[in-house]
Amino acid sequence: SQQGEEDPQALSIQEGENATMNCSYKTSINNLQWYRQNSGRGLVHLILIRSNEREKHSGRLRVTLDTSKKSSSLLITASRAADTASYFCALTTSGTYKYIFGTGTRLKVLA
Amino acid sequence: DAGVIQSPRHEVTEMGQEVTLRCKPISGHNSLFWYRQTMMRGLELLIYFNNNVPIDDSGMPEDRFSAKMPNASFSTLKIQPSEPRDSAVYFCASSGTPGETQYFGPGTRLLVL
Repeated sequence: SQQGEEDPQALSIQEGENATMNCSYKTSINNLQWYRQNSGRGLVHLILIRSNEREKHSGRLRVTLDTSKKSSSLLITASRAADTASYFCALTTSGTYKYIFGTGTRLKVLA
Repeated sequence: DAGVIQSPRHEVTEMGQEVTLRCKPISGHNSLFWYRQTMMRGLELLIYFNNNVPIDDSGMPEDRFSAKMPNASFSTLKIQPSEPRDSAVYFCASSGTPGETQYFGPGTRLLVL
């Protein structure tokens, strides 16, 4: 399966701590994206990293990509209660417009 | 920008009835995607269109499902006849550039009794 596999499936941390979630995949990618989904809502795009990039930052978010290991990680620093959500990786492959979504990590940030 | 608009937001119907879900993508976006999300199967891509043309419908579960995009600003996903196992949240998403950022609608929560 080309599906991204995320780990952990669930993560519970205290406010102010950092949260790290990982995405592994099996195919060659064009780019990899991370999305957030609050309960009962649609997904919201967070950050996109291309296959020739290794690291990208956006505010409190840091994404890394290791194409040799076919894995990516999302780090949320100084987490807040409002970061409580599910986080999904989505990868796209060259020559197709399909987005393959991972299984998601449920993050709970305790105040 | 109003974002991706979906209607209805909630739909409760009885088994065997026809269900039509609607989507208006972001103006200027030429890629449109329909997804289904359940606890058991996660987020599944059903079909996507590029420039109003269906590109890949391999995710459509069976012939009871059909999707159309008659113009750049409107798409429908139809289930006929509906079954209880179709109960899920259905999302529509659009993208301005293939393979780049997707913008999701709020979803339609479908319950088939």
